Formats: sequence, structure tokens, C-alpha cells
Amino acid sequence: QQQVKQSPQSLIVQKGGISIINCAYENTAFDYFPWYQQFPGKGPALLIAIRPDVSEKKEGRFTISFNKSAKQFSLHIMDSQPGDSATYFCAASRPRGNKLVFGAGTILRVKS
Amino acid sequence: NAGVTQTPKFRVLKTGQSMTLLCAQDMNHEYMYWYRQDPGMGLRLIHYSVGEGTTAKGEVPDGYNVSRLKKQNFLLGLESAAPSQTSVYFCASSYPQVNTEAFFGQGTRLTVV
Repeated sequence: QQQVKQSPQSLIVQKGGISIINCAYENTAFDYFPWYQQFPGKGPALLIAIRPDVSEKKEGRFTISFNKSAKQFSLHIMDSQPGDSATYFCAASRPRGNKLVFGAGTILRVKS
Repeated sequence: NAGVTQTPKFRVLKTGQSMTLLCAQDMNHEYMYWYRQDPGMGLRLIHYSVGEGTTAKGEVPDGYNVSRLKKQNFLLGLESAAPSQTSVYFCASSYPQVNTEAFFGQGTRLTVV
């Protein structure tokens, strides 16, 4: 079963719009929630990450919102650009071993 | 600085054949991982290693074996390939500190016919 559930499966956004990807988890032992970005033919690369002791983290146009009580977190991409077109994975890990559990991924296409 | 390098990048195997995927990292990372990526399923952990000479099972270990004889290398073996092992395989590495970034290789696309 998917320990981290991600939605939507795909997303089309106009240039300049806001892209929103949501994830939910069940295991309360998770304490690290990164987002990875993957371009075609490449490996995933860390985009931004958050710990559950903060509710929001912003890095440039990318923001993670975290709701610990609801066990949900989301990625917001402001002013989306065609260069943001990629597959985005949310993930979670427990304190030991740094083993990441990934969501199913969201294919984002930003139309110019 | 090469980071994480995977060899080969593409491979086609016949059912029952064996092969080894090689992962090499030059960042002196303690931890290394093998994931497989399948459409609609994200990346799933096959095996991982927390140091030279140690390995452990991940989420989907069946049909795979691994070895970590040197700190910088992590090998993934398929002894008798099956069509269900058709996938894109990613190696990753990280420092042992909690909640640290994992660095991924560019992947190996394996097709088993």
C-alpha cells in the first residue's frame, strides 16, 4: 500500500499560474518531508524539504505547507514557468536510515 | 565532481539472464540506496546500505541481491531476470545525518523480454 498518497497524477497550469500538489501520509513516525523534482531522463533532485515542527517553508517560488494534525503537506509553485515542467515527488522518512518513502508522482506541464 | 554514476544506462535482458548494475559515488557518503521507478508507483526502495560491508532489505527486495564491498560502490544484481523487473533503476547516496539530502544517479533503464 502507498504510505504516502500524492495527487493529482498530472497537472496542466498556464504560465504565471500557481501549481499545487498535495500529499498525505499515515505514519506519524515520519519526521522529514522532502519534495524531489525530476526532469525526463534524469534522476530526482531535492527541491525543498520541511520538518513537522514548522507549518510552512518558502524558497523562492516554491513553498511547502505542512498540516501535522491532518497529516498532509503540499507544494505550491508560484508564477509557474515552462521550465518547471517536470515530475514532482513528495516523500517522507523516519529518523533512522534516511530511507525515503515516495508518493506516486505528479507530472506538471506549464503551458506558455 | 561526478556525484552518483550508474552503469549501464540502458540494457535489454532476456528472461532468466543475469546482470549487475553498478553505482559509484565520489562524495564519501556512508549511505547508499537502490530504488526502482515504475509508472504510477513512484520510487520504491529495493535495498540499502549504511556502510561498507553492510546491506539491508528495503520495500521490494525479492529477486535482487546487493553488495557493498567498497564504500564508494553499491552493486545491484539480478540473478534470473523476470519481465516484472522491467523498470528504471536509480541509485542514491547520502550522509548518515538524520534528514539529509539524497543524491540520485541518472538511472538505468532495464527491459526484460
